[in-house]
Amino acid sequence: GNSVTQMEGPVTLSEEAFLTINCTYTATGYPSLFWYVQYPGEGLQLLLKATKADDKGSNKGFEATYRKETTSFHLEKGSVQVSDSAVYFCALLRPHGNKLVFGAGTILRVKS
Amino acid sequence: GAGVSQSPSNKVTEKGKDVELRCDPISGHTALYWYRQSLGQGLEFLIYFQGNSAPDKSGLPSDRFSAERTGGSVSTLTIQRTQQEDSAVYLCASSLEGFEQYFGPGTRLTVT
Repeated sequence: GNSVTQMEGPVTLSEEAFLTINCTYTATGYPSLFWYVQYPGEGLQLLLKATKADDKGSNKGFEATYRKETTSFHLEKGSVQVSDSAVYFCALLRPHGNKLVFGAGTILRVKS
Repeated sequence: GAGVSQSPSNKVTEKGKDVELRCDPISGHTALYWYRQSLGQGLEFLIYFQGNSAPDKSGLPSDRFSAERTGGSVSTLTIQRTQQEDSAVYLCASSLEGFEQYFGPGTRLTVT
């Protein structure tokens, strides 16, 4: 079946530190991959996406590269800010599918 | 433009009562989705509507759950005879077919 595995949190970093949140997936075919972010008290927001192998999604300083060979879509940011504190969800959408399959979410806490 | 809206934002109900949750998708979006976010199960797909096609109900956890979408726009998720395990945040999303999903702020349901 289709599934997404994310690193467990919480991840606690100091401001300006480098961030990596690991995400691996299992899927039939070649899914589209997404990172969603949920800020405290708010709904899910699409952060970035990639639809085919070697695509790099980027937004707000965050990046993730679709790696088919390792079935991974790790989220990275070079210098985090306190305002990046949120829950991050990795998700996949299988080809011609309609339902997102989410990972468990990773809590990120950034301290000033 | 206006995003996905949901009402109510919070709902507290007694076990055994019926509840209705409402979703207003982004204007022009043909696809509408319901997901559930709970501590134990993470983010789970519930149901998907696309245009005039029969909905994909494969994620509904029991026959106490139903949903309808009137006029291809507003959707209502109904939970009959609520149980404590139904307590969760219910998220609605909409999209153009085949494109990324945009989420509403959710309805937090608490069954006492």
